[in-house]
Amino acid sequence: EIVLTQSPATLSLSPGDRATLSCRASQSVSSYLAWYQQKPGQSPRLLIYDAVNRATGVPARFRGSGSGTDFTLTISSLEPEDFAVYYCQQRGNWPPRVTFGPGTKVDIK
Amino acid sequence: EVQLLESGGGLVQPGGSLRLSCAASGFIFSNYAMTWVRQAPGKGLEWVSGNSGNGADTYYADSVKGRFTVSRDRSKNTLYLQMNSLRGEDTAVYYCARDDSSGWFRWFDPWGQGTLVTVSS
Repeated sequence: EIVLTQSPATLSLSPGDRATLSCRASQSVSSYLAWYQQKPGQSPRLLIYDAVNRATGVPARFRGSGSGTDFTLTISSLEPEDFAVYYCQQRGNWPPRVTFGPGTKVDIK
Repeated sequence: EVQLLESGGGLVQPGGSLRLSCAASGFIFSNYAMTWVRQAPGKGLEWVSGNSGNGADTYYADSVKGRFTVSRDRSKNTLYLQMNSLRGEDTAVYYCARDDSSGWFRWFDPWGQGTLVTVSS
């Protein structure tokens, strides 16, 4: 099973700061990596798919990058509504064995 | 508007059974694979199961294999998760989500609001 590791566990930043979140896979997942945002009491929301593509309606300040085993989600300038938990997700080989990273919490400094 | 609405959660004793439903609307249900993901209280996301658009193929996490069964009723545009032999560690909010990657389980969008399952005596 492919294990995803996210770092840091918590990121304390201020509005307007740049956020850099990391997701590392235990083996190559090619570009098959997605990012989700989850706010308290809400269901996850897709942000990025296939490592670099923004989902419909996602602001341009969210950018995904990486391939293979190392991926990054960058939020260029944090807005108040961006403070949340972010998860990465991969599918693995076939048959699918979907796994999620443990999450990175972005909170207000 | 694409919507997913889960129901069927509740309190169940260890060893008991429960069936969750996920009612889909706003898209052609049979064209999409679907997935179940759960989240234990205060914890991260855990994939439970995936089901192909035609319902013929289903995949399970090792933690639920042999205990959980996914099915769908195309006439009702509804996905089901039958959960048997429930354990305390199955306590979680259960989300259904649409596989938006043409059946390849690469990403999920949208997600339902979730339904809480509590396994306790």
